[in-house]
Amino acid sequence: NAGVTQTPKFQVLKTGQSMTLQCAQDMNHEYMSWYRQDPGMGLRLIHYSVGAGITDQGEVPNGYNVSRSTTEDFPLRLLSAAPSQTSVYFCASGYGTENTGELFFGEGSRLTVL
Amino acid sequence: AQTVTQSQPEMSVQEAETVTLSCTYDTSENNYYLFWYKQPPSRQMILVIRQEAYKQQNATENRFSVNFQKAAKSFSLKISDSQLGDTAMYFCAFLNNNDMRFGAGTRLTVKP
Repeated sequence: NAGVTQTPKFQVLKTGQSMTLQCAQDMNHEYMSWYRQDPGMGLRLIHYSVGAGITDQGEVPNGYNVSRSTTEDFPLRLLSAAPSQTSVYFCASGYGTENTGELFFGEGSRLTVL
Repeated sequence: AQTVTQSQPEMSVQEAETVTLSCTYDTSENNYYLFWYKQPPSRQMILVIRQEAYKQQNATENRFSVNFQKAAKSFSLKISDSQLGDTAMYFCAFLNNNDMRFGAGTRLTVKP
């Protein structure tokens, strides 16, 4: 069972570069979300989606874009990377059209912006 | 905005003993959910236990139980018969209307 798959697992970028973190789930979950984890701060919600074609902002959305064209995929785009975006990023999915809290997480993607 | 506070950055416990991790939160909402998540060294987050705010009965999952004090806005996690595999970061989380907030975490080490 694949569950939630994130790629890449590690990435180094230069300031100003763009990239996309991929997230795919094979559990037919409607709810998907992106979090970032910084030392001493726990996880913070970036964006979330309650179904294909529907996205919304979380606690820290600035500098990130998302789209949800299919149920399975929820990519996170950094249009112009900044050193403040150095973090570990987690994608999570869940049953239903809202966050019930019972989330299934990917293994994380460590991003370093120089 | 809701905030979640975990005041114990690190804790340790001997194998087979009991440990309690603390969590407090701040909200003006009446209906919400609370969670404890575990993050082992593999980094993948795993749900440990879930509590609905409208339920007075404390949730229990095998060796894991919570002490939910709604008036005090407190949500502690008790791990009984600690095992080496319980070594991990533990995050308390609050959820209301798709807005999920996590505490900064408590690093738990179970010693043999």
